[in-house]
Amino acid sequence: DGGITQSPKYLFRKEGQNVTLSCEQNLNHDAMYWYRQDPGQGLRLIYYSQIVNDFQKGDIAEGYSVSREKKESFPLTVTSAQKNPTAFYLCASSYLGGPGETQYFGPGTRLLVL
Amino acid sequence: EDQVTQSPEALRLQEGESSSLNCSYTVSGLRGLFWYRQDPGKGPEFLFTLYSAGEEKEKERLKATLTKKESFLHITAPKPEDSATYLCAVQAGIKAAGNKLTFGGGTRVLVKP
Repeated sequence: DGGITQSPKYLFRKEGQNVTLSCEQNLNHDAMYWYRQDPGQGLRLIYYSQIVNDFQKGDIAEGYSVSREKKESFPLTVTSAQKNPTAFYLCASSYLGGPGETQYFGPGTRLLVL
Repeated sequence: EDQVTQSPEALRLQEGESSSLNCSYTVSGLRGLFWYRQDPGKGPEFLFTLYSAGEEKEKERLKATLTKKESFLHITAPKPEDSATYLCAVQAGIKAAGNKLTFGGGTRVLVKP
């Protein structure tokens, strides 16, 4: 089954703790993205990567970090510098090239602060 | 700055009562407009991509249309299983934007039997 997997489904963070969200895709997509969704707001882009070992900041990158060591994987670390981390985190992937690059989303990880 | 505004914020329909959702946008050269469906606690599910004004796409009871300033998602004779939040997003044509999608706030649709 081709698709995007995210884990865990729920994650709890303590004060001062860094936590890492996993995102894996087996669609052979070139690009991967992380979005944050807050109640009543649209999805906002945190980071994106178009190629292995390269990534770019999105609109709200402060307090987050990423890596792209393999084409299939794009983990997101929420650092202690992110003061309001409670949100629903969504990973997406897409091919590059073509008139419009449709992004497909994973099931999401809900992060809660203890 | 790219902007997307969806209206209404929420829509309550009786089963079989057709209606339309609006997505107004401003973007630096539209590369694509995307519609997604999102169920509570789940990731968005892709529905349609529209590329140019005048384009229309259909899937079951859903039909998406595009003009130069807005897109409509028409729901014909909805059923309770069409209840969800519908998200609209645009992708700019300028290279500096990368492949970023700019999303609207969504329209929550509830279809009552």
